[in-house]
Amino acid sequence: QKEVEQDPGPLSVPEGAIVSLNCTYSNSAFQYFMWYRQYSRKGPELLMYTYSSGNKEDGRFTAQVDKSSKYISLFIRDSQPSDSATYLCAMTTDSWGKLQFGAGTQVVVTP
Amino acid sequence: DTAVSQTPKYLVTQMGNDKSIKCEQNLGHDTMYWYKQDSKKFLKIMFSYNNKELIINETVPNRFSPKSPDKAHLNLHINSLELGDSAVYFCASSQGLGGTTDTQYFGPGTRLTVL
Repeated sequence: QKEVEQDPGPLSVPEGAIVSLNCTYSNSAFQYFMWYRQYSRKGPELLMYTYSSGNKEDGRFTAQVDKSSKYISLFIRDSQPSDSATYLCAMTTDSWGKLQFGAGTQVVVTP
Repeated sequence: DTAVSQTPKYLVTQMGNDKSIKCEQNLGHDTMYWYKQDSKKFLKIMFSYNNKELIINETVPNRFSPKSPDKAHLNLHINSLELGDSAVYFCASSQGLGGTTDTQYFGPGTRLTVL
């Protein structure tokens, strides 16, 4: 069993809908949580990070962490076709840069 | 200006060959990384260097050897290539050790195909 589980999708939504993505993890030592976005044939880019349970908002994006359930989520409001990408969750226990990634969820936003 | 660049972008080679991938960052960062992304998009760290010193060395075959000639460059040399080495290899860099709020910036990737 992988330390970080993420449904690979694809997840297809109409433009304007809310996209809901999530990851579960098994290692309770994970303290820091990130979401990366990866467009096709490009490198991942950091969208959001958080280190505590609760919500964090940045524009149309909201990251949610529930450490007691070992569950993190990313919500994208008012989705646009330009949001079509693969979204990867990542997490780490420490400061040494050893990120554990989920497998990524492919999101397709149709006009 | 490209922040993290990799060469080549595509690499097609025969089994048994030796090949190198180069990475350069112009962000002035102290830490550089190599990741492997397999066909299922699963991204896994291989190595990281901080100020030319090896920090992370995951369980990868010793056919893979990273080399950091200076802080701005991290190369990956692969000996005796195997079919299972086919993947996209990403280089990344971060200002510090990249674990917490220290963003890792990724390059565009090198798509390696072993025939």
